[in-house]
Order: sequence, then C-alpha cells, then structure tokens
Amino acid sequence: AQSVAQPEDQVNVAEGNPLTVKCTYSVSGNPYLFWYVQYPNRGLQFLLKYITGDNLVKGSYGFEAEFNKSQTSFHLKKPSALVSDSALYFCAVSRGFQKLVFGTGTRLLVSP
Amino acid sequence: KAGVTQTPRYLIKTRGQQVTLSCSPISGHRSVSWYQQTPGQGLQFLFEYFSETQRNKGNFPGRFSGRQFSNSRSEMNVSTLELGDSALYLCASSLGLAGGQRDQETQYFGPGTRLLVL
Repeated sequence: AQSVAQPEDQVNVAEGNPLTVKCTYSVSGNPYLFWYVQYPNRGLQFLLKYITGDNLVKGSYGFEAEFNKSQTSFHLKKPSALVSDSALYFCAVSRGFQKLVFGTGTRLLVSP
Repeated sequence: KAGVTQTPRYLIKTRGQQVTLSCSPISGHRSVSWYQQTPGQGLQFLFEYFSETQRNKGNFPGRFSGRQFSNSRSEMNVSTLELGDSALYLCASSLGLAGGQRDQETQYFGPGTRLLVL
C-alpha cells in the first residue's frame, strides 16, 4: 500500500535557523511525492513535488525537499526559517486517479 | 487565474439533515477531487470526478455522493448527517492529464467548507 509517515507532530525552530520537516514513504513502484502547507482557516497550498530526476526539488517560498531512495525519505527543508512559515505541513503520495494519501501533518512553529 | 472556489465557506446543520457543497475548479481544469479533513482522521480522499464521471472513490459510506457538471464544476452531497461528519471539506482541481502523467499531476486546493453538525 502507498503511504507516507510524518514522525513529528511538531517542530520548533528559531527564526533564521534552518528547518527540516520529516517524511518517509512506503510505495510500490515509482513514488510521486508532494508537500503542502496549510495556514489556519485556509485550504492546502502546494509547495513542491518529486516525480523523477534530481533528488533535490525546489519549490515555493524558498522551500526545498530532498528525495532519498535508500532511506525512503522526502524531507522538507528551508535554509532560514521565517515566523510566517509557522503552519501545518503535509506530505502526500499519489495513488492514482488524483487520489492523494496524506501524512498526519507536522506543525511548524517558528519563534522570533 | 482565479483559484479553486468553494461555497459556502461555513455551514451549520443538524443531525439527519442533508447538505450540498459546491466547488468551482481553476479554469481549464477538468478533474475535481474531494477530501475530508478532521482532527481525528486527518485528510481523507472522498472521490474524484473527470468529465462528469466518478473515476475514483474513497472508503466513505454511500451517504457521501458527488457529481460533476459539463463546465467541470462539482458538488458533493452528504445525506442523513451525523455528528461525525463535522469536518473541513476540501475540493481540489487539476488539469486531468491522460495516462501515466495522471499520477504526477499537482492538485490545487480551495479554501474549504467547514461543516458543523449539531
């Protein structure tokens, strides 16, 4: 079965420090992986996706993600966190016919 | 380009009633998917429509149904509401590519409809 796991419910980081939000996947076949962010009372905003090719994927708002096949991971990263990055982050895998299977989400809290 | 729009944004219903939620996809997008978000179950896939046909369905009871119109706008209906149906219902649209590219498509989400069942 296609699934993703986000092992951390919350990540705390100080503004200006690098941030990492973890995601591991369990997929048969080629993994198509996505990161979304959700701000309070908002829908999900697409950040980036991995389809194939370069293991380092660059996305919106300065975020990037590293695909690691041997560790079955797809961690989201940003070199310098902003307070405005505080939100709920979801990793997802595509299961076909536009069905996304989401992780449980990680709350990112960036302190000033 | 305008994003995905959903109406209404908020709804309060009582148990046993039914509700209809509406979603207008991004212009040119032909695929519409629906998701339910709750604190306990997280984000769960409900169903997906393309060219007025349901192509995929999640593990929800038959009380949850949907349809898509010729202009790609979609509605979902929940009949005989239960307290557990209280959730944020999210709609997402994508182009609706063919074949193997379908799994790679990005879905763009609307702001959601928050349903409270009393």
